[in-house]
Amino acid sequence: QAQLVESGGGLVKPGGSLRLSCAASGLSFSDYYISWIRQAPGKGLEWISYIDTSGTYTNYADSVKGRFSISRDNDKKSVFLQMNGLRGDDTAVYYCTGGRTSWGYSDSWGQGILVTVSS
Amino acid sequence: DIQMTQSPSTLSASVGDRVTITCRASQNIKKLLAWYQRKPGTAPKLLVYQASNLEGGVPSRFSGSGFGAEFTLTISSLQPDDFATYFCQQYSGYPFTFGQGTTLEIK
Repeated sequence: QAQLVESGGGLVKPGGSLRLSCAASGLSFSDYYISWIRQAPGKGLEWISYIDTSGTYTNYADSVKGRFSISRDNDKKSVFLQMNGLRGDDTAVYYCTGGRTSWGYSDSWGQGILVTVSS
Repeated sequence: DIQMTQSPSTLSASVGDRVTITCRASQNIKKLLAWYQRKPGTAPKLLVYQASNLEGGVPSRFSGSGFGAEFTLTISSLQPDDFATYFCQQYSGYPFTFGQGTTLEIK
C-alpha cells in the first residue's frame, strides 16, 4: 500500500520558516515524481511545486517562487519543502503527492499537514 | 494560467442514478486531465488520468471522456460509496490547476 506521510507543519510567525517533510513507503520512491499541493481555508486546491525523480528538475508556482524550495533524498525516501518568508496567505493544508509518471497527475496523496502563519 | 471550471458545484442524486460532472478548461489541454475523488478525512484518490484512462482498482462504473477543453466524469450507477467530492486537474501546463470541486450528495 503506497503511503505518503507529511510532517513538519505547525504555527509560524509571518516572515518565519518551516521545513515540511514527506516520507514514502510502499512504493518505488525513486521512480515517483512528487508535487506539493495546498489548500487554504475555504479555497480550492493549489499546486505549488514539483520535483522529478532525480531531483534535477523542479518547478514552482509564482505564488511561492523564490521563497519555497523543494528537494528530495531518494535514499531516505523523502521529499522536503523548505518554506521561507512565510505569509498569512501561505496558511493552508499542504499535501505531498506522487505520480508514477512525469505527466503531472498524482496517483498517491498524503493526508495533508496544516501550516498556519500568524502572529 | 489555465482556468478549470467545474460544474455543477453540488449534485444531489440517488443510489442507482447515472451522473455526469463537467470540467471545462480555459484553453486546449488535449487529454491532459485527471479526475480525483475525495472523502472527508481521507487522502484524495485518483480515478481517471489522460481524460479517459481508468486508474487501476477503480470500479468500471466510473468513466471519463473529453478532449481539448471540455471533459466529463460519469458514474453509470451510483453506489453508496460514491457520495464524495470530485475534482479535476489539468497537467497540460504549469502551474497545474484544479477545478473547484463537485460535491455529490445523497438525494
